[in-house]
Amino acid sequence: DTAVSQTPKYLVTQMGNDKSIKCEQNLGHDTMYWYKQDSKKFLKIMFSYNNKELIINETVPNRFSPKSPDKAHLNLHINSLELGDSAVYFCASSQTGKNYGYTFGSGTRLTVV
Amino acid sequence: GESVGLHLPTLSVQEGDNSIINCAYSNSASDYFIWYKQESGKGPQFIIDIRSNMDKRQGQRVTVLLNKTVKHLSLQIAATQPGDSAVYFCAEKIGRKGGKLIFGQGTELSVKP
Repeated sequence: DTAVSQTPKYLVTQMGNDKSIKCEQNLGHDTMYWYKQDSKKFLKIMFSYNNKELIINETVPNRFSPKSPDKAHLNLHINSLELGDSAVYFCASSQTGKNYGYTFGSGTRLTVV
Repeated sequence: GESVGLHLPTLSVQEGDNSIINCAYSNSASDYFIWYKQESGKGPQFIIDIRSNMDKRQGQRVTVLLNKTVKHLSLQIAATQPGDSAVYFCAEKIGRKGGKLIFGQGTELSVKP
């Protein structure tokens, strides 16, 4: 069983399109995250949700809109895609009060052409 | 600003040798640190963690050292194997309700047979 699963794994789309990435975790964690990894492998947090409540929004353009229908799911919708949005997007989850590392999904490689 | 990590992009070692990967962090309030391993095409995978009230923690073939005086973290891998080849990230955790992990730039470890 995959603990944190993301779909799709690869996404190629044209500039200006709108796309979504989905994430689900079966760990029973109460907090989920989206991270962006650029071409230099740098990982930066975008959003976090705790029990469906937005906790962190790291100055991400408002073209990016996370949605958490329940604490096991966190989706990322991106409007009007730009070339600079090309990156690998990782979903992760953790449990409040537990000091162990986040569990990451395997990533979604987004390529905007 | 927030930052974690010395810019040491690559480290090449001989199979069987010990590897040491270093990291600097900037946030004195961080109380929890983690090392992650990322293999090609995969998400970051938890290796070992350490709390700020500890100086050293050992796992299987890995040891993390924390020097709070100089805000330095290191990962030691004993008897490095080809399967250890990956990008290694240090991360510091700040904040509540899951907080956020701030990642360093990453070090690519290459193990020569």
